[in-house]
Amino acid sequence: ETGVTQSPTHLIKTRGQQVTLRCSSQSGHNTVSWYQQALGQGPQFIFQYYREEENGRGNFPPRFSGLQFPNYSSELNVNALELDDSALYLCASSLSFSTDTQYFGPGTRLTVL
Amino acid sequence: DAKTTQPTSMDCAEGRAANLPCNHSTISGNEYVYWYRQIHSQGPQYIIHGLKNNETNEMASLIITEDRKSSTLILPHATLRDTAVYYCIVRVTDSWGKLQFGAGTQVVVTP
Repeated sequence: ETGVTQSPTHLIKTRGQQVTLRCSSQSGHNTVSWYQQALGQGPQFIFQYYREEENGRGNFPPRFSGLQFPNYSSELNVNALELDDSALYLCASSLSFSTDTQYFGPGTRLTVL
Repeated sequence: DAKTTQPTSMDCAEGRAANLPCNHSTISGNEYVYWYRQIHSQGPQYIIHGLKNNETNEMASLIITEDRKSSTLILPHATLRDTAVYYCIVRVTDSWGKLQFGAGTQVVVTP
C-alpha cells in the first residue's frame, strides 16, 4: 500500500506566473486536504475535496483553486503568484472527511522569485 | 486561531521518556486531541489521537486529563530520530474536519 505522494518535490516560479501541484491520495482514501506552510509556521488549511467536490475552504483567495479526479488524486492551482506564496504545500488524504485521520504527503516546496 | 497551548521547545536525553504537555482548556465534548510531528521540511507524521481515554500505540502514549483540558504525549524511549516539531491539535468537528496547527513544540533529543 503506497502512501500519499506529491509532485514535484521542488518548484521555482516568478511572480505573476501560475503553478499546478499534484497529489496522489493513499489507496482507498476519497478525501484530500491541502495545506500551506510558510517558513517557521504551522500548516494552514487551504481547502478540502471529497468525491470530486470542494468540501470546505480556509481563508485563502480565489486564485487558489483545486480539482479532484475520479481516482481521488488532486491538483492545487495557484494563479498570479505572489512572493508570499513561497511555502511548503502539503496534501493529506483520509478515508473520509470529518474525524478520519489525515495522512500527509512529503510536500512540494514552492519558491516564488 | 489554534485552540491549544504548547511549550515552544524542550530537550530530552536519548533513551529517556519525553513528556510533551498540551493545554486545550476550551475543548468541546466531541472534539478529539490529535498529535502530529514534523521532521525538518518533511510532511507531518500522524502519531496518535484520543477523545477521553488514554491511548497507546507503537509510537507513543496519550494521557488526557479527566476534565479534558490538557493532555500529555509520552515518547517512552526517545531516540535521536524523534527530534522534530510536535503539534497538538484539537480536531475541529465541522463538516470538513480540518486540522488547525499551532506553532508546536520543538523537541531536541540529545545523546
